[in-house]
Amino acid sequence: KAGVTQTPRYLIKTRGQQVTLSCSPISGHRSVSWYQQTPGQGLQFLFEYFSETQRNKGNFPGRFSGRQFSNSRSEMNVSTLELGDSALYLCASSLVTGDSGGYTFGSGTRLTVV
Amino acid sequence: KQEVTQIPAALSVPEGENLVLNCSFTDSAIYNLQWFRQDPGKGLTSLLLIQSSQREQTSGRLNASLDKSSGRSTLYIAASQPGDSATYLCAVRRTGSSNTGKLIFGQGTTLQVKP
Repeated sequence: KAGVTQTPRYLIKTRGQQVTLSCSPISGHRSVSWYQQTPGQGLQFLFEYFSETQRNKGNFPGRFSGRQFSNSRSEMNVSTLELGDSALYLCASSLVTGDSGGYTFGSGTRLTVV
Repeated sequence: KQEVTQIPAALSVPEGENLVLNCSFTDSAIYNLQWFRQDPGKGLTSLLLIQSSQREQTSGRLNASLDKSSGRSTLYIAASQPGDSATYLCAVRRTGSSNTGKLIFGQGTTLQVKP
């Protein structure tokens, strides 16, 4: 079965612009979580969505937002990009929120802000 | 606040060696612990998942143990191969509805297995 699909794989944006990243979970999975990975901070949790509702949120500014659609696909948006937003953005899916089965990650979107 | 630490940060071994990667966490109220592998520039591949009620899990040459009381997990890799070269990350999920979907990661151990 298909894994977690993230698009695009690579993105270059200019400071001040906004960007939208997409994540399609494994078929049947309804929970999607987003993470930011940087060399300095490692992997940090952004937010989790389940049944189109944000269930949990990490400690990121309001410029970072997300949403989930009825087919469980999720998007995250970053507005007014800063150089420090350059990172690998990963999404993970699980069957349901609070699932004991663990999480499956996508290959990520590499965002470079110049 | 839950903190996850992985030691060592980097490890280089000759092919064929057995090795142990360590992960420690400060809060024992965890739901489960998951070990991942990450190749350079790629996403995370799940290796093993240990529920809080379990003591260990095995998959092929990999064995992960969990000791909640001491806040430790180890990942044992038997007969290492060059293809095992990657960064290994451990992540814990805390208990409680406010922590669903949220994994707390260590900084990882970068392993190099030399032929």
